[in-house]
Amino acid sequence: GQQVMQIPQYQHVQEGEDFTTYCNSSTTLSNIQWYKQRPGGHPVFLIQLVKSGEVKKQKRLTFQFGEAKKNSSLHITATQTTDVGTYFCAGGSIYNQGGKLIFGQGTELSVKP
Amino acid sequence: GAGVSQSPSNKVTEKGKDVELRCDPISGHTALYWYRQSLGQGLEFLIYFQGNSAPDKSGLPSDRFSAERTGGSVSTLTIQRTQQEDSAVYLCASSSRGLPGNTIYFGEGSWLTVV
Repeated sequence: GQQVMQIPQYQHVQEGEDFTTYCNSSTTLSNIQWYKQRPGGHPVFLIQLVKSGEVKKQKRLTFQFGEAKKNSSLHITATQTTDVGTYFCAGGSIYNQGGKLIFGQGTELSVKP
Repeated sequence: GAGVSQSPSNKVTEKGKDVELRCDPISGHTALYWYRQSLGQGLEFLIYFQGNSAPDKSGLPSDRFSAERTGGSVSTLTIQRTQQEDSAVYLCASSSRGLPGNTIYFGEGSWLTVV
């Protein structure tokens, strides 16, 4: 079945440094969604990418969807302590019923002030 | 409601007991999902509802797990004869139509601890 791999599992950065997490799917995706989960909280939707090669920006966050629609990345420029949390990618496929998303394992980001 | 609502928020139960977890999706959302998140892990898909039917229940880990949805709204996830490995956060989510690309909105989860 469809698998979504995400690396790294953990990332510790100094405040002000950049951060990137990478997501790879075993199958071609119809869309990819990114979520952020703060410690003790629930996943909160950040963004969705649907087009091959698509790039979207939200302030210091840049999201990319690969040309083959099998990989994606999230890059945070100049991290802040408010960026702390776990970032999940989640892939959707036209073969998944009901828009079901398959989640990566997440990348836990810690930021040292 | 304004968001996905889940209850109870926390549940401690003894091994072997049955538990019921409730989810009230966003009003008007036809698609409802249950996911499970073990400590420090990603989200594991359990089941998907479209209206009251469950076209995809492929993620239910065993026959001790069942779920139903009534009135196209509230859903209940039932775990019978709980085991310690069932300890996790059970997250409910909904989307407007369950189509690929629809945003999925999560509730705050029900934290289940089996002792």
